[in-house]
Amino acid sequence: DVKVTQSSRYLVKRTGEKVFLECVQDMDHENMFWYRQDPGLGLRLIYFSYDVKMKEKGDIPEGYSVSREKKERFSLILESASTNQTSMYLCASRPGQGYQPQHFGDGTRLSIL
Amino acid sequence: AQSVTQLGSHVSVSEGALVLLRCNYSSSVPPYLFWYVQYPNQGLQLLLKYTTGATLVKGINGFEAEFKKSETSFHLTKPSAHMSDAAEYFCAVSDRGTGGGNKLTFGTGTQLKVEL
Repeated sequence: DVKVTQSSRYLVKRTGEKVFLECVQDMDHENMFWYRQDPGLGLRLIYFSYDVKMKEKGDIPEGYSVSREKKERFSLILESASTNQTSMYLCASRPGQGYQPQHFGDGTRLSIL
Repeated sequence: AQSVTQLGSHVSVSEGALVLLRCNYSSSVPPYLFWYVQYPNQGLQLLLKYTTGATLVKGINGFEAEFKKSETSFHLTKPSAHMSDAAEYFCAVSDRGTGGGNKLTFGTGTQLKVEL
């Protein structure tokens, strides 16, 4: 089974802090994704990566950046955390073929105080 | 851009009753279609997918969905609800194509409540 592991289940940070969310997958998938999930809005794509060191903006990239130095690891960075970034963050990975489903981690519930 | 509509943010059924969760998509070209389930404090788990071939797709936990091109729909059903089915369900679509650029567009989710 595919395993997508997010480093923290719950995280509390303060406004202005630089925040790192880490995600690791163990199936050698080419593609990795970061979403945020908010009630009533479903999942919205922040960034995705289709190869090492490659990244593309999703629908809501403002205030975020990403890093993919190794194939198995995809990091989401909040450069200067703000309260409106309090949310559930989900990481996913998928093989190269578009018809394959994405596999999700358990999520990180991030609170910015 | 793709859009996905899930009618009903909350659906309540009795245990043993039929479950019907609705999903419509906007693309004129049939996309890849997925249903995911999310239990409390967990990530999303794939229930089933439609990519090509038979339009009635069977998934895990007794769920199935039918792709209807003429109605641009992919509704999720289960003949008999169980208490353990209580969760949030997401419909998602992806454009057909090759390579890594295929992104998923999600609906806003339907919270299913199962009552005794």
